[in-house]
Amino acid sequence: EVQLVESGGGLVKPGGSLRLSCAVSGFTFSSYEMNWVRQAPGKGLEWLAYVSTGGTIYVAESVKGRFTISRDNAENSLNLQMDNLRADDSGVYYCAREMWASDYWGQGTLVTVSS
Amino acid sequence: DIQMTQSPSIVSASVGDRVTITCRASQSISSWLAWYQQKPGKAPKLLIYKASSLENGVPSRFSGSGSGTEFTLTISSLQPDDFATYYCQQCSGSSRTFGQGTKVETK
Repeated sequence: EVQLVESGGGLVKPGGSLRLSCAVSGFTFSSYEMNWVRQAPGKGLEWLAYVSTGGTIYVAESVKGRFTISRDNAENSLNLQMDNLRADDSGVYYCAREMWASDYWGQGTLVTVSS
Repeated sequence: DIQMTQSPSIVSASVGDRVTITCRASQSISSWLAWYQQKPGKAPKLLIYKASSLENGVPSRFSGSGSGTEFTLTISSLQPDDFATYYCQQCSGSSRTFGQGTKVETK
């Protein structure tokens, strides 16, 4: 069974940092592209970052320079390092596997940026 | 970045209705378009990929069409389980932009 489980969310002050992780199982992680997507409360989906099987990285302009995506194929883990967080970064953060599109998603982890 | 414009924002419909949602890309994305369904408090669910390919397990009342910059999601006969929010997403090049979403609500 394919599973993606996000962790690392929580409450952080503006300007702070968080590192999100996505532990995957049930498929060969190294063979798939991966994405991070977020959803602010009551808002739509926002794509954040992508990493290919070969390590090519794309990042949305809205978070470029503050968010860093990485993958650890040995640990079957996808990560998102988030620095200089702002209040509008609050929301649920999802990791998703990509095969033509995002076919499997985690349950999400909540990030709240507030003083 | 490629921008995606979805319309309408809200659809009011009844069970049995045919529902059509449109998505426009700011530049050609060939057929690199996906559709998702999302219910409150849940992760999105993939319905359609590559513009018109039905994901395994998705009912055949869902269909997608289009290429280039104009795409459509059609629900042929709306069922009670279909009341949700639908998003398109382009999967072309160096970004993966979503449309702003279409909420399908009861009339």
